[in-house]
Amino acid sequence: GAVVSQHPSWVICKSGTSVKIECRSLDFQATTMFWYRQFPKQSLMLMATSNEGSKATYEQGVEKDKFLINHASLTLSTLTVTSAHPEDSSFYICSASRSSAGELFFGEGSRLTVL
Amino acid sequence: GENVEQHPSTLSVQEGDSAVIKCTYSDSASNYFPWYKQELGKRPQLIIDIRSNVGEKKDQRIAVTLNKTAKHFSLHITETQPEDSAVYFCAARTGYGGATNKLIFGTGTLLAVQP
Repeated sequence: GAVVSQHPSWVICKSGTSVKIECRSLDFQATTMFWYRQFPKQSLMLMATSNEGSKATYEQGVEKDKFLINHASLTLSTLTVTSAHPEDSSFYICSASRSSAGELFFGEGSRLTVL
Repeated sequence: GENVEQHPSTLSVQEGDSAVIKCTYSDSASNYFPWYKQELGKRPQLIIDIRSNVGEKKDQRIAVTLNKTAKHFSLHITETQPEDSAVYFCAARTGYGGATNKLIFGTGTLLAVQP
């Protein structure tokens, strides 16, 4: 299957700082990537759809100014958690598919802990 | 928007028994229904999927059934093994391409297979 890589796999930061998470499709081009957040023992909640070359589409209730998404190339999308707070601590997972109707492949996930 | 409900939230079976997990979706336009297995701290892995033009699909010990009229689909695991223990998520996707091509996940089922 296709490979989606995410970095870093885990990060600890102080409250008020910003953290950037990268998501790369290693062997295919992805015009669309998706960012999910997963709290412990909960489901994957879609945060936003990242569109190459245009603005991301955010789900209801997700603050676009807090979770900045940039999809500058067909193989890279970044999620920046700005002014992080302890309640932002979560498992963030990106995903992408080869085609609009194809299987969705997930990155390894990034565990963010905000102290 | 799409809403996916999943039951049960936890399921404990004896090794060798069958396990069934059920999901319902709200958007009649949904056309793709994957099932993911997620082990603790890891990314979701696709185990089987079904499209709306098919009523049933089987892959060795795993099968999925879809009832479009009732808008529900089920995962069936036969001859369960301890290594099947994990959290299972169903998902539904609406449309082709662009922002509508997003997966909405169910709430998850923690499956425990007792040896």
